[in-house]
Amino acid sequence: AQSVTQLGSHVSVSEGALVLLRCNYSSSVPPYLFWYVQYPNQGLQLLLKYTSAATLVKGINGFEAEFKKSETSFHLTKPSAHMSDAAEYFCAVIRIQGAQKLVFGQGTRLTINP
Amino acid sequence: EAQVTQNPRYLITVTGKKLTVTCSQNMNHEYMSWYRQDPGLGLRQIYYSMNVEVTDKGDVPEGYKVSRKEKRNFPLILESPSPNQTSLYFCASSPSRTGGYEQYFGPGTRLTVT
Repeated sequence: AQSVTQLGSHVSVSEGALVLLRCNYSSSVPPYLFWYVQYPNQGLQLLLKYTSAATLVKGINGFEAEFKKSETSFHLTKPSAHMSDAAEYFCAVIRIQGAQKLVFGQGTRLTINP
Repeated sequence: EAQVTQNPRYLITVTGKKLTVTCSQNMNHEYMSWYRQDPGLGLRQIYYSMNVEVTDKGDVPEGYKVSRKEKRNFPLILESPSPNQTSLYFCASSPSRTGGYEQYFGPGTRLTVT
């Protein structure tokens, strides 16, 4: 079975500081991995996805993530945090056979301090 | 604009009163799915549809029904709502393999059952 673990339900950084949100996955087959962002009272928006091409994936809003098979990790980073980055972030893995169900982590709430 | 729409966005109802939450996508996607989001439980799949007239249960289907008579629409039906169905509901659609299994989410429907 596939699963995702996000380390840290709440991360707080200062504006301009590095953002690092951690995600580890478990999958018996090469995974498709995603990071979604959810702003207050809004739906989920795709930040970036890994589909077995380049291991360093660049997304929207300056975010990127690196797929590390040896560490079963897919951590999300942004070099310099902006106040508008405050949101909840979800890592997800997809089972592409059958239900094509996205299996989400519990989410990490990112707070940006001025 | 390519999008997934849901209606209503907010709904307060009473136990046992049938309701339908509509979902529509204008991207000609074959795959559609419903998720519910609950604090501490993350997002869980309720039902999904691989194509017109093809639907199947997700992880938490009890108390819900769906139908897929047209490619663009995938309504979620609660025949007899109960308070434990109070939740935030998201509809999603995907082009499946041709689109790297990326799922596009609607804005959400916040349902309260009293």
